[in-house]
Amino acid sequence: DTEVTQTPKHLVMGMTNKKSLKCEQHMGHRAMYWYKQKAKKPPELMFVYSYEKLSINESVPSRFSPECPNSSLLNLHLHALQPEDSALYLCASSQESGTGHSDQPQHFGDGTRLSIL
Amino acid sequence: GESVGLHLPTLSVQEGDNSIINCAYSNSASDYFIWYKQESGKGPQFIIDIRSNMDKRQGQRVTVLLNKTVKHLSLQIAATQPGDSAVYFCAETQSIYNQGGKLIFGQGTELSVKP
Repeated sequence: DTEVTQTPKHLVMGMTNKKSLKCEQHMGHRAMYWYKQKAKKPPELMFVYSYEKLSINESVPSRFSPECPNSSLLNLHLHALQPEDSALYLCASSQESGTGHSDQPQHFGDGTRLSIL
Repeated sequence: GESVGLHLPTLSVQEGDNSIINCAYSNSASDYFIWYKQESGKGPQFIIDIRSNMDKRQGQRVTVLLNKTVKHLSLQIAATQPGDSAVYFCAETQSIYNQGGKLIFGQGTELSVKP
């Protein structure tokens, strides 16, 4: 079992729907991440939150909207998605080392498999 | 652009043999490297990491070697077992001060263990 919990495990939605993906960790990690992974490909970074503030947005379309309500939770709000957005969405978290540099491993959840009809 | 790549997309080994998975990286400024294992239907699972001030690190049945001169990373798995069958990703971290780490993954190698 992973210590990063993602819900739901599967989601099917139409292009006009609004839905949210949720991620939770209780390891005290202060950095949290969203990744997108297509089949047979490596994960690609979407967003990074550090101390509940958005620190990196990898030019992700605005139909994806991240939110970090507190240090344990990370959401990804979805609206008006396209069929090409179908993928596995992974959440990860990592401990800040205290040096300001990221030299701690990221721990991943098992993802939400998203299908856009 | 910067990239982390693997030499072999697939690797098939006999149970009990040792496995070696290789990875090349291009960003000489990367200072932290991680190997992940991803089984079907699951997220990447941390295996072992190494910092750029080291050239070798050992875990349980796994060893990571880092050659900064040629920008090469390898994962050695001793006495490979059927449960080791998965896709293995190397990843480099481009650290951004106080902003978390930007993890760049290689393309992955699928390891298949024959009983």
